[in-house]
Amino acid sequence: GAGVSQSPSNKVTEKGKDVELRCDPISGHTALYWYRQSLGQGLEFLIYFQGNSAPDKSGLPSDRFSAERTGGSVSTLTIQRTQQEDSAVYLCASSLGGLGANEQFFGPGTRLTVL
Amino acid sequence: KQEVTQIPAALSVPEGENLVLNCSFTDSAIYNLQWFRQDPGKGLTSLLLIQSSQREQTSGRLNASLDKSSGRSTLYIAASQPGDSATYLCAVIPNDYKLSFGAGTTVTVRA
Repeated sequence: GAGVSQSPSNKVTEKGKDVELRCDPISGHTALYWYRQSLGQGLEFLIYFQGNSAPDKSGLPSDRFSAERTGGSVSTLTIQRTQQEDSAVYLCASSLGGLGANEQFFGPGTRLTVL
Repeated sequence: KQEVTQIPAALSVPEGENLVLNCSFTDSAIYNLQWFRQDPGKGLTSLLLIQSSQREQTSGRLNASLDKSSGRSTLYIAASQPGDSATYLCAVIPNDYKLSFGAGTTVTVRA
């Protein structure tokens, strides 16, 4: 079956612009996660959605970052007024359930470059 | 805060040699541990998930062990091939869902 898909694969933007990154989880997976991979920081957790519960936004680095998940499926990560330090690979993952017992499956990522 | 360390940072071996990748973590109160592979410019491919009640997990040429009490996991890759060249990441999962990743071990298998 289809895995986690993300779009765009690459995004180059100018400092100060807003960007939207999209994630399509594996069908039937109720949990969805966003992570960021940057050279200086490694891989870090950003946000988590589980079913209809309120998302865990504890990993978002600033209020310029927001995410939503519509209909319990597709998710969009929005970065407003982008800064150069936002340049990174943004990875989305999904799992059957939200507890640690469930294996997380990752998408190919979106490489964001802020000029 | 959970700290995950992977040693070595890089490894180069001739084809056919067995690979041993180490992962250590500071907080033993983990739920699971997951090993991933990442090819350059690509996302993460899940290799093995070890639940906290297990001591090891095997898939083909891959074997991963887990010792929660000492905060260690080891990934063994038998009879390495050039196609095994990649970065290998371990991630520990506490009693929720937020993976804490190590920095990875970059493996090069020379033909």
